[in-house]
Amino acid sequence: GAVVSQHPSWVICKSGTSVKIECRSLDFQATTMFWYRQFPKQSLMLMATSNEGSKATYEQGVEKDKFLINHASLTLSTLTVTSAHPEDSSFYICSAKRTGHSNQPQHFGDGTRLSIL
Amino acid sequence: GQQLNQSPQSMFIQEGEDVSMNCTSSSIFNTWLWYKQDPGEGPVLLIALYKAGELTSNGRLTAQFGITRKDSFLNISASIPSDVGIYFCAGQGRNAGGTSYGKLTFGQGTILTVHP
Repeated sequence: GAVVSQHPSWVICKSGTSVKIECRSLDFQATTMFWYRQFPKQSLMLMATSNEGSKATYEQGVEKDKFLINHASLTLSTLTVTSAHPEDSSFYICSAKRTGHSNQPQHFGDGTRLSIL
Repeated sequence: GQQLNQSPQSMFIQEGEDVSMNCTSSSIFNTWLWYKQDPGEGPVLLIALYKAGELTSNGRLTAQFGITRKDSFLNISASIPSDVGIYFCAGQGRNAGGTSYGKLTFGQGTILTVHP
């Protein structure tokens, strides 16, 4: 299998709080993981590519100081939304790609529903 | 940048009917993927296609990688209520190297409703 676990499933917090979301590949190693954001009834929007042992690559328009990504091991990437505000409320989804297999598809976590009050 | 056009945007069908949806691209992809997303969950991989012309089945699902590498379709036969959800196509281009490895471009999604 190719199981990706994302935690927490949902979080509600006050404006100004920083929130960390974890993405783990449970039964495979993933040099590369991806972070997406999804608004209701819309497609997935890639925010950044997370690379183990190096800096993340952010998509145009995504603030790297706002969305901190750390990929410290081959099975874990974290996304920290710093000083979150209501406009950051969204559904955040991670995916992971099996290391060493260039054509392997991305496998997704179950997402994190973030609500900022 | 690359864009995928997925159609139809939504479908309302009766249980037992067949369903067809497709994606077209303005540029070539090396891999086509089809995912299904249920409300409040992440996308689940249904079918992966790696070669132009490839036709692959997964139970009642069949998908094809277009000869031109710019399109793909997904068929669902004999639909059942649990087929309800949003279906996304996604294309993966050539390895851009380094930090852009394996990026996907997603279609807009097809919302499928199945009436019992």
